Amino acid sequence: DQQVKQNSPSLSVQEGRISILNCDYTNSMFDYFLWYKKYPAEGPTFLISISSIKDKNEDGRFTVFLNKSAKHLSLHIVPSQPGDSAVYFCAASGSNYQLIWGAGTKLIIKP
Amino acid sequence: ETGVTQSPTHLIKTRGQQVTLRCSSQSGHNTVSWYQQALGQGPQFIFQYYREEENGRGNFPPRFSGLQFPNYSSELNVNALELDDSALYLCASSPGLAKSSYEQYFGPGTRLTVT
Repeated sequence: DQQVKQNSPSLSVQEGRISILNCDYTNSMFDYFLWYKKYPAEGPTFLISISSIKDKNEDGRFTVFLNKSAKHLSLHIVPSQPGDSAVYFCAASGSNYQLIWGAGTKLIIKP
Repeated sequence: ETGVTQSPTHLIKTRGQQVTLRCSSQSGHNTVSWYQQALGQGPQFIFQYYREEENGRGNFPPRFSGLQFPNYSSELNVNALELDDSALYLCASSPGLAKSSYEQYFGPGTRLTVT
């Protein structure tokens, strides 16, 4: 029972262009969504989050969009840089504070 | 400020053995969560400790157990190891229970291989 799904295992984007990573969820009780970034041999690091009462949150080059009716969120990175190459995880939480994670999308930024 | 540390980095165990993994929380953090990340998958929540008490558990059997100490460091114990227990085990600390859903700091993980 995958409550959080990232259907693209990998994504390749040209440096300077926009990267769009997608995430779908099934549990309507989730009220907080997060994106984490993970480099090899390191733990995940928090990138950006959004509460279910909002539909957009922006932090520099990173913007997260939430579409509650479609149970879908996306992470936009503009412009993409070589250092953005990593695995990106979408995670969601509800009232029990537990994080439910997607399987991740490997982003490759091509020079 | 010291971040989250985990030990050991890697270890290899035989099926049926027992293992203890350790995690030191970031200074000032009283909440620890443990995750199992199998190859090609996202982290799976094992359990969480808040002020030395278990506060929530994921879909893992009782042979996965844990402890949190007065200094908020933590241990994950796995008994009767199975081949499927081979994974990266991640520990994350938070400055409070309410913040554990959105403010978690991860250690680098322990890579466990069961043969």
